[in-house]
Amino acid sequence: KAGVTQTPRYLIKTRGQQVTLSCSPISGHRSVSWYQQTPGQGLQFLFEYFSETQRNKGNFPGRFSGRQFSNSRSEMNVSTLELGDSALYLCASSGTSGSHEQYFGPGTRLTVT
Amino acid sequence: GNSVTQMEGPVTLSEEAFLTINCTYTATGYPSLFWYVQYPGEGLQLLLKATKADDKGSNKGFEATYRKETTSFHLEKGSVQVSDSAVYFCALIGSNYKLTFGKGTLLTVNP
Repeated sequence: KAGVTQTPRYLIKTRGQQVTLSCSPISGHRSVSWYQQTPGQGLQFLFEYFSETQRNKGNFPGRFSGRQFSNSRSEMNVSTLELGDSALYLCASSGTSGSHEQYFGPGTRLTVT
Repeated sequence: GNSVTQMEGPVTLSEEAFLTINCTYTATGYPSLFWYVQYPGEGLQLLLKATKADDKGSNKGFEATYRKETTSFHLEKGSVQVSDSAVYFCALIGSNYKLTFGKGTLLTVNP
């Protein structure tokens, strides 16, 4: 089975721009979660989607948004980029096992200049 | 809310040494517990998991036991290799489907 894929792998943007990141989950997985990883704050939960519905949301400003499509692929969008948005953005997918373990993609490294 | 506290590193060991990375958690209900590993420039890989009290997760020589009485999930390996050098994260997930992570422990194994 193919793993979680994320595109692009690297991105450089300027302050004030917006960006869209894409995630394709493991085949058959319907839950997709997004996390932000920075050296200072560590791994922080952004949001989780299941069957095209946002089921849970972390404590991030409204500039961070996401969506999920009927094929379970997900996108996240960050508008009006700030320098502090520079981070590794990780996507994870989860199946129906009771433990809810999540499988991560390689991440998208976003640099805001 | 849920939280995870893990031993902060860095931890430096010689090859074949014994490894312990401590992890304790605070959570309501009965969370599932995980250890993830991150190699440089990569995403997180699920190393092992445990879903209920006294469960032992194991993989690639690593082990961790879900101890509800001490709210702990310490990671151990009897003999580390250079290839085990990475950052290790303890995490839990509860009924809200959100993974809560510890801050990570950098392990360096020298030959």
